[in-house]
Amino acid sequence: DSGVTQTPKHLITATGQRVTLRCSPRSGDLSVYWYQQSLDQGLQFLIQYYNGEERAKGNILERFSAQQFPDLHSELNLSSLELGDSALYFCASSALSDQGYTFGSGTRLTVV
Amino acid sequence: GESVGLHLPTLSVQEGDNSIINCAYSNSASDYFIWYKQESGKGPQFIIDIRSNMDKRQGQRVTVLLNKTVKHLSLQIAATQPGDSAVYFCAEISMNTGFQKLVFGTGTRLLVSP
Repeated sequence: DSGVTQTPKHLITATGQRVTLRCSPRSGDLSVYWYQQSLDQGLQFLIQYYNGEERAKGNILERFSAQQFPDLHSELNLSSLELGDSALYFCASSALSDQGYTFGSGTRLTVV
Repeated sequence: GESVGLHLPTLSVQEGDNSIINCAYSNSASDYFIWYKQESGKGPQFIIDIRSNMDKRQGQRVTVLLNKTVKHLSLQIAATQPGDSAVYFCAEISMNTGFQKLVFGTGTRLLVSP
């Protein structure tokens, strides 16, 4: 157990739908990062939050959004889902002074 | 744009051999590099890291080498075991408006045969 918790582990939904992925960071970590990993691909950075505020954006589609709540958990919202959105979505957390990232086990999203 | 790339998508070795996984990076301003191991169905797991003021760092059965002149990073795994079979990613950390940003390479799949 890495200390980063992601739910649900698996999600199957239809095109056009909206889903919410949840991440609880490791205790004490203020930063949360979201990554997307398509089949046999690398991890693409989506977005970063620090203590509730958005800090950096990567290749995140306008149909996607995220937020970090006062208790530091984060949610990634994916809307108007397309088949190409099927992927593993990983959350990672880090402390400000800690250069390492700790990853969760991911949510596997399948859009049918 | 920034990129971290890998030379070989798949590396097949025999158990007991030494494995070398290579990585090229393009952001000369990056000062921290990490190797991650990802097993099927799991999240990336930290293996070893190195800062730009170092050329070499050793861990348990793993060594990371950094050549800043040619912007090249390598991961050496000694006495490779079947449990080492996984996808290995190099990643670089660059600062973005004061906050770190982790950029991953595509990944190399290591296959270890018994």
